[in-house]
Amino acid sequence: NAGVTQTPKFRILKIGQSMTLQCTQDMNHNYMYWYRQDPGMGLKLIYYSVGAGITDKGEVPNGYNVSRSTTEDFPLRLELAAPSQTSVYFCASSLGLAETQYFGPGTRLLVL
Amino acid sequence: QKEVEQNSGPLSVPEGAIASLNCTYSDRGSQSFFWYRQYSGKSPELIMFIYSNGDKEDGRFTAQLNKASQYVSLLIRDSQPSDSATYLCAVEGSARQLTFGSGTQLTVLP
Repeated sequence: NAGVTQTPKFRILKIGQSMTLQCTQDMNHNYMYWYRQDPGMGLKLIYYSVGAGITDKGEVPNGYNVSRSTTEDFPLRLELAAPSQTSVYFCASSLGLAETQYFGPGTRLLVL
Repeated sequence: QKEVEQNSGPLSVPEGAIASLNCTYSDRGSQSFFWYRQYSGKSPELIMFIYSNGDKEDGRFTAQLNKASQYVSLLIRDSQPSDSATYLCAVEGSARQLTFGSGTQLTVLP
């Protein structure tokens, strides 16, 4: 049982490039989330999903897109990367809303 | 006003002492409250959750919730150097999503 896995661990992007952050969970959780964490700050919700085919915006969705074609996978797409998107990105999953969330190891992204 | 506020610290306590971490929240309708621990460079991991007013104990950790005063706290007894980390308070907010505080950095001095 691997829990929540994320790839890549670290990535450097140039301004304007695009990339997809991968997230997979093997706990059969319906709920999945993407957060970003800037230095010294808490977690900000980007997007979340309540099940395959259903996604919704969180607090800071601009510049990102998501899809949820399976229960296990919840990729986050960055289009036209900007320096403001330099951050650590965490994927999480939970059995239900407002329940314990289990986090992946994170992806550190640097946009130059 | 921030939805979830924590003292950013850093908070330093000697080994063996009690560390007290506090969190206040603005949404009176919040029902679920969580404490996560985050070591430097790592992902958050759950320490405790609490739903009801009062105290909830788990080993050296005690979560305290006072909905009338809109605060939740975490006490760590017999603090150990391995407890040195950032502690994140998370509160159920709008659309039943969790809102995280900015965290309190705790250092336990040997």
